[in-house]
Amino acid sequence: AQSVTQLGSHVSVSEGALVLLRCNYSSSVPPYLFWYVQYPNQGLQLLLKYTSAATLVKGINGFEAEFKKSETSFHLTKPSAHMSDAAEYFCAVSDQGRGSTLGRLYFGRGTQLTVWP
Amino acid sequence: GAVVSQHPSRVICKSGTSVKIECRSLDFQATTMFWYRQFPKKSLMLMATSNEGSKATYEQGVEKDKFLINHASLTLSTLTVTSAHPEDSSFYICSARASGRGVYEQYFGPGTRLTVT
Repeated sequence: AQSVTQLGSHVSVSEGALVLLRCNYSSSVPPYLFWYVQYPNQGLQLLLKYTSAATLVKGINGFEAEFKKSETSFHLTKPSAHMSDAAEYFCAVSDQGRGSTLGRLYFGRGTQLTVWP
Repeated sequence: GAVVSQHPSRVICKSGTSVKIECRSLDFQATTMFWYRQFPKKSLMLMATSNEGSKATYEQGVEKDKFLINHASLTLSTLTVTSAHPEDSSFYICSARASGRGVYEQYFGPGTRLTVT
């Protein structure tokens, strides 16, 4: 079964500082992994995804994540935080099952990122 | 491309009434749509997987008679909350998986805020 653990429900950084949001996964098969961002009262926007190609994945808005199989991790980073990065971030792993639920996502509990001026 | 809309964005209804939420893929065909529920400051909980032309697959603990899902076309899925109660108040988000694209690519709608008074 797939599951995702996001360490830290809240992360605060200063503008210009490094952003590190942690995600560990559990999967019985090679996983597909995703990071989504959610702004208040909005849906989810895909930041980046890992689908078994390069282990270092670059996404939108300057974010990137590295897939580390040995650590079962997929941490999200950004070298320099911007005020507009303040949002909720969700890590997700995809179900590679069969049939009607193919492609379903299992989400972590989310990490609220606050950026201080 | 790959835009998903939801209607309405907000709805307030009285206890005991039914509410229908629409999820549309605007520029692609979606064989599969997913319905999620999100509580305040919580992660997304998958309610059901909807496949065009067949019955939805509900997650354990989700009442299929209360949350009616219809996926009548490749661009439209609807969620009807029947006999709504205040505890049904939540943020409902749909996502759609595009036919012919990566199986694990989902596009999210902007969400519908339901308030039951």
